Amino acid sequence: GAGVSQSPSNKVTEKGKDVELRCDPISGHTALYWYRQSLGQGLEFLIYFQGNSAPDKSGLPSDRFSAERTGGSVSTLTIQRTQQEDSAVYLCASRDRRGNTEAFFGQGTRLTVV
Amino acid sequence: AQSVTQPDIHITVSEGASLELRCNYSYGATPYLFWYVQSPGQGLQLLLKYFSGDTLVQGIKGFEAEFKRSQSSFNLRKPSVHWSDAAEYFCAVGPYNQGGKLIFGQGTELSVKP
Repeated sequence: GAGVSQSPSNKVTEKGKDVELRCDPISGHTALYWYRQSLGQGLEFLIYFQGNSAPDKSGLPSDRFSAERTGGSVSTLTIQRTQQEDSAVYLCASRDRRGNTEAFFGQGTRLTVV
Repeated sequence: AQSVTQPDIHITVSEGASLELRCNYSYGATPYLFWYVQSPGQGLQLLLKYFSGDTLVQGIKGFEAEFKRSQSSFNLRKPSVHWSDAAEYFCAVGPYNQGGKLIFGQGTELSVKP
């Protein structure tokens, strides 16, 4: 597609449920990032995929969070046993293989845990 | 440690006045610097980026930024602010290659008075 697409745009879930957030990056982009943006906060890095390399998971806040990227394209961020503190906007970004390019962001998924 | 600091959480300027948003970074390698803007409910849009060359870079919407290596700063400026510039602005630093995460500041919220 023309840009980074995220779905759903909004998700309300009950505490304790699992959720899956989807990201479709720009076609051909080898790098894919997930960030979390809590109310009034900056962007917190979660995980980074680069081609076929092992992902950088250093930002995942707990083992309830996981992500995968299938076929080097679509990525799914999964949050298990959601907690209220997981409520945030989850942003996905992708970046081209060339060095001097910026990351392009999707519109985000607003997750609300009630 | 790698970090980005935006000292001003919220700034209010009058329409037509000049604007400067501050950004300081700490980064071990040669930095690749970005400014992004986020309107309410939207994803992040790139305003400008810098890696090398002229330390004064021009971006979209009349914005410019100046890289000062000695001060580890990358401040964003605009000579005359428009009401439509009201948004949240994020400074980010990353590696100059396709690998590695982007580190964001906490953001500066800009309000514009008529």
